Amino acid sequence: GAVVSQHPSRVICKSGTSVKIECRSLDFQATTMFWYRQFPKQSLMLMATSNEGSKATYEQGVEKDKFLINHASLTLSTLTVTSAHPEDSSFYICSARSHRSSGRFYEQFFGPGTRLTVL
Amino acid sequence: AQKITQTQPGMFVQEKEAVTLDCTYDTSDPSYGLFWYKQPSSGEMIFLIYQGSYDQQNATEGRYSLNFQKARKSANLVISASQLGDSAMYFCAMREGGTGTASKLTFGTGTRLQVTL
Repeated sequence: GAVVSQHPSRVICKSGTSVKIECRSLDFQATTMFWYRQFPKQSLMLMATSNEGSKATYEQGVEKDKFLINHASLTLSTLTVTSAHPEDSSFYICSARSHRSSGRFYEQFFGPGTRLTVL
Repeated sequence: AQKITQTQPGMFVQEKEAVTLDCTYDTSDPSYGLFWYKQPSSGEMIFLIYQGSYDQQNATEGRYSLNFQKARKSANLVISASQLGDSAMYFCAMREGGTGTASKLTFGTGTRLQVTL
């Protein structure tokens, strides 16, 4: 299947710093990318949806100035957590949807996730 | 209201036995898709199986099958011949609004499956 990579896989930072997470679709062009957040033992919560070349659409309750999303190309999206605080510590997962249909649905592939710890 | 409900926070099954993980959903959209994903402790989300709302047959993928009961709005995952490697978190998810590229996945709270010897 298609591969989506995320970098870094783990990051520890001090409170007040900004952290950038990259999400790349390695062997396909992703028309749409999604960013999720997952707290321990909880479900995935969609943060935002981004389409290449346009502004991201954020879910209700997600601060767009706090979580900056850039979808600069069909293979790269970045999430920047600005002025991170301990409550931003979480597992962040990106997902990329192929523009190719499998016949019944557009396949969506997930990255391996990034564990962010803010001290 | 919850769009996806998984009522079993944890399940145990013996190796080689079958297990059913429950999922009910709520939507008024006639066109939707239902997905099951597996999340091992490493964190990656692994796609298992898909069922479209207009599909007449229950979906099957190897040892996974989806028991789709449209009138009851349920989409239970059946894993046959469980293996130790099946131990993981399992999420049911729904995509509404057709199969377009912008439609979003909504996840349930998950079921942790433990396969025992």
